[in-house]
Amino acid sequence: GAVVSQHPSWVICKSGTSVKIECRSLDFQATTMFWYRQFPKQSLMLMATSNEGSKATYEQGVEKDKFLINHASLTLSTLTVTSAHPEDSSFYICSAPVVSVGNEQFFGPGTRLTVL
Amino acid sequence: DAKTTQPTSMDCAEGRAANLPCNHSTISGNEYVYWYRQIHSQGPQYIIHGLKNNETNEMASLIITEDRKSSTLILPHATLRDTAVYYCIVRVLNSSYKLIFGSGTRLLVRP
Repeated sequence: GAVVSQHPSWVICKSGTSVKIECRSLDFQATTMFWYRQFPKQSLMLMATSNEGSKATYEQGVEKDKFLINHASLTLSTLTVTSAHPEDSSFYICSAPVVSVGNEQFFGPGTRLTVL
Repeated sequence: DAKTTQPTSMDCAEGRAANLPCNHSTISGNEYVYWYRQIHSQGPQYIIHGLKNNETNEMASLIITEDRKSSTLILPHATLRDTAVYYCIVRVLNSSYKLIFGSGTRLLVRP
């Protein structure tokens, strides 16, 4: 099956710094990727849709200037959490649809961000 | 996409069948029922999907009622590794539409 990877798997940073999370489709191309955030004991919340070669589409309530998304190639999308604060500590997960299997979505393993 | 409702939590004994229900009373004719699960601290994993016929794969079976307003995911012989949160989602096939996750059912498989 299709494989989606994320890097890093976990990161700890100081408040005020920026953190970049990568999402890669390893064996397929993805013109669209999705970014989710998940707080402890809660469900996944869709943050934004990443579009290759164009601007990302953000869900209501998600600050686009705080969560910068860049989809520079057909296999890589990055999420940068700018000026991170402790309340940004969360589990960030990306997914990508695979056209050859009816746009079935495959998820990355997630990145756990802890902001001190 | 139609909304789904699931019980918050369930449990079953190891080796027994786990039956996870899902209500999707507002499902439209071109929407499929999808099931994903999320093991603790991992990304969600696809399990199965169906339109109106019952489906079975190596992981589970999906039973959809005739009126399509509800469905049941069946894990025939649950193992401890099946302990996870199970999400029922409805969406249109072959769309690149985003997946909207509900609260899911937390399944605990007891030894």
